[in-house]
This record gives sequence, structure tokens and C-alpha cells, in this order.
Amino acid sequence: QSVLTQPPSVSGAPGQRVTISCTGSSSNIGAGYDVHWYQQFPGTAPKLLIYANNNRPSGVPERFSGSKSGTSASLAITGLQAEDEADYYCQSYDSSLSASLFGGGTKLTVL
Amino acid sequence: QVQLQESAPGLVKPSQTLSLTCIVSGGSISSGYYYWSWIRQHPGKGLEWIGYIYHSGNSYYNPSLKSRVTLSVDTSKNQFSLKLSSVTAADTAVYYCARAMVRGIAVDSWGQGTLVTVSS
Repeated sequence: QSVLTQPPSVSGAPGQRVTISCTGSSSNIGAGYDVHWYQQFPGTAPKLLIYANNNRPSGVPERFSGSKSGTSASLAITGLQAEDEADYYCQSYDSSLSASLFGGGTKLTVL
Repeated sequence: QVQLQESAPGLVKPSQTLSLTCIVSGGSISSGYYYWSWIRQHPGKGLEWIGYIYHSGNSYYNPSLKSRVTLSVDTSKNQFSLKLSSVTAADTAVYYCARAMVRGIAVDSWGQGTLVTVSS
């Protein structure tokens, strides 16, 4: 059971909008620590998709966006494409554990 | 563009010490803006922080692994290292070295990862 909880899977049709949630607590997201998001394809290293809640690194399409409210954060993908099918992870810092940690990951399926 | 490359021990016997080194190229490990990190991924599972180290040697560990982990940095060789002692089959995983921004600890660069199998 991860401290940062993500749904195991989400799905959507091409062109649709999907969101992936990351639920934490008052010792991590709720304490104001930044949330980051990663995309990982099978057999490859993860890639930073969103950093500091809502910032996109250079080269990441505007279709990807992040938000944070209270003890939760969300990754939104608009205009879903087949190439977006991957695993997505959130990450934040937890003050009670004194450690940075990842959510359990969400598998996105494009129908 | 910074690149990170893990060494590849491949197979480690139970109870022994797993040792990995990450060679950094295209950027200085002495940069004050980054932590140098180790992250692992068990087969078919999610990501797990092992720890991260600053160029000064200050290090931070996952509490669940802290008793078995040692991180070190060699600025003269532009590389950093991981030692994980008393390994068991549960330590079989893909090990990634990575660079994390000091602010927020977002990982912006990753090595390709190396599979370490613990087996006799």
C-alpha cells in the first residue's frame, strides 16, 4: 500500500481527456510538497512529465498538465493518443518518513 | 545533455553486497543544483527510492533500506555509487541511477537501468 495512492488503471478513447489522481496526506502533498509526474513505457526508464505540480519540461506536449489541491494531485491528458499508453507515476516528499516516494503507478490504456 | 550510465554486476549471490556505480557525462556531479539518486523497480512493479546524495557527500536514504544502504560520490571521477548489503531475492530489480533537482527532488535525467538478479 503506497503512501501516495493512484488508481491501478485508467482508460480512454483517442481524443478524449483522462485524469490520473494521486492521493496523499497532510505529511506529503497536503504539507505543500511539490508533486511530480513521470511516464514510463515498458522496458525503458521513466521520463519526467510534470514537475513542481504544474510545470512541463521542454519537449513535453501541452496536452499534459498537472494540478494540486489539498492532499491530492492530478495529471490530465487531453486529446488522448495511442502513443500515450504507458504507466504513470506521481512523486512527492513525505515529512513523516523523511523520504521522497512514488505512487504505486497507473496504467493508461488507450482504447 | 547529461547522461548517466550504470555499471552492470548482473548477478549477486544472497547475503553478499550489491555494488553499482553510475558514471555521469555531459555535466558536472559537483553542480549544486542536483542530488544524485538511486531508484529501483522490482519486476512488474512500481518505482522505489533507494536514496540520494549531494556532491558534498550529504546523503538521504529510504528508511526501509537505510540499514543496508551506503551511497558515495567521487567528484574527481564524476561518478557516484551504491552499496546494498545482505541482499536477498527481494532485492532483484532494475536499478536506475538518476539526477534529481534539489528543489522538489524531481528526477529530470535517468540512466537506462540495469537488472540485478540475486540468486545463488
